[in-house]
Amino acid sequence: AQSVTQPDIHITVSEGASLELRCNYSYGATPYLFWYVQSPGQGLQLLLKYFSGDTLVQGIKGFEAEFKRSQSSFNLRKPSVHWSDAAEYFCAVGDEGSQGNLIFGKGTKLSVKP
Amino acid sequence: DARVTQTPRDKVTEMGQEVTMRCQPILGHNTVFWYRQTMMQGLELLAYFRNRAPLDDSGMPKDRFSAEMPDATLATLKIQPSEPRDSAVYFCASGLGGPGDTQYFGPGTRLTVL
Repeated sequence: AQSVTQPDIHITVSEGASLELRCNYSYGATPYLFWYVQSPGQGLQLLLKYFSGDTLVQGIKGFEAEFKRSQSSFNLRKPSVHWSDAAEYFCAVGDEGSQGNLIFGKGTKLSVKP
Repeated sequence: DARVTQTPRDKVTEMGQEVTMRCQPILGHNTVFWYRQTMMQGLELLAYFRNRAPLDDSGMPKDRFSAEMPDATLATLKIQPSEPRDSAVYFCASGLGGPGDTQYFGPGTRLTVL
């Protein structure tokens, strides 16, 4: 069965420090991979997505993610975290047969220390 | 700036009452998704529609939940009768429904059933 795992439930980083959020997927076909962000009291917003081409994908707000097929991973990174990045981050996966349906991970909550 | 709208934003009701949540997808989007988010279960897909027809509602408790799209600009999710375990945030998302397509989320309806 398809699945998405975000191993870290909660991460705290200092403002200005680098960030990496982990995402592993289990999918038979070539996956389409997404990262969404949810600020408190808000809906989810797309940060970036990957479905082909360059395995390093740039997104909004200075985020990037790298697709590593050999590791079944799609980790999200940011070189310098800002206090406004405090939110919950969701990894999601779909494929060509999914008709737009996505499977979401449980999310990683990011806290930022001043 | 096109966005998905949801009403009401907050709903407090008593057990046994009927609850109706509404969603207006982005104009031109032909696929609508309903999700439920709780601390324990995370983000769960309840149902989704393509061109107003239900594609999958297997995530929805059939005995009390129903979802419809009366027209292309309105999706509804109804709970009758409501129970305390239905307390959650309900999100609607819309998209073009193709593989790798972005889902655009509304702000959610926070439902509290007393």
